[in-house]
Amino acid sequence: DIVMTQSPDSLAVSLGERATINCRSSQSLYYTSNNNNFLAWYQRKAGQPPKLLIYWASTRASGVPDRFSGSGSATDFTLTISSLQAEDVAVYYCQQYLLSPITFGQGTRLEIK
Amino acid sequence: QAQLMQSGAEVKNPGASVKVSCKASGYDFARYDINWVRQTSGQRLEWMGWMNPDNGRTGYAQRFQGRVSMTSDTSINTAYLELSNLRSEDTAVYYCARKPVYGYVMGWFDPWGQGTVVTVSS
Repeated sequence: DIVMTQSPDSLAVSLGERATINCRSSQSLYYTSNNNNFLAWYQRKAGQPPKLLIYWASTRASGVPDRFSGSGSATDFTLTISSLQAEDVAVYYCQQYLLSPITFGQGTRLEIK
Repeated sequence: QAQLMQSGAEVKNPGASVKVSCKASGYDFARYDINWVRQTSGQRLEWMGWMNPDNGRTGYAQRFQGRVSMTSDTSINTAYLELSNLRSEDTAVYYCARKPVYGYVMGWFDPWGQGTVVTVSS
């Protein structure tokens, strides 16, 4: 199985500041046949299901604010929130969908400092 | 707008089975795979498998093989997850989620159902 490891486990950032969450996979998620990385990011707020933020490592899902961005390739990926808003308090997950079984990172809890 | 609505919370004894439903609306149900993911204690997400509502094909995570069954009824746009021989470690929130992409066996998930709490306790 592909192991997904996020860092840090938790993060406190001031409102308006940048938040950065990292995700590392145990093998490359880059697929040469379509020139894409098979990685997605989700946001899960308390009491709600996960919400898709990013797919193909850097494509923002419909309706997601442009302060959210994804970057990286192969085994190292980053989710960046450029200017933290109060409504961004949540747990964030990365997910690989290159190989079965699909696997998720352990989650990163983002709070306001 | 695509939506998935799941059945209510369940409490089961060890060794029993549970069946969770997931009703789709706002899109062509038969067109996209439904996946099932559970959130166990803490916050970890665990993928269980996928099902194609159009042809009934399934793919299960190996750790659930023999205990899980994913089916659907396209006449009522509903997918089902059945998990048997329940144990305390199966206590979790179970989510259905649509894979909104063609051409790949695996994919990302959007949207997700609201979740069904399954508690296994004697």
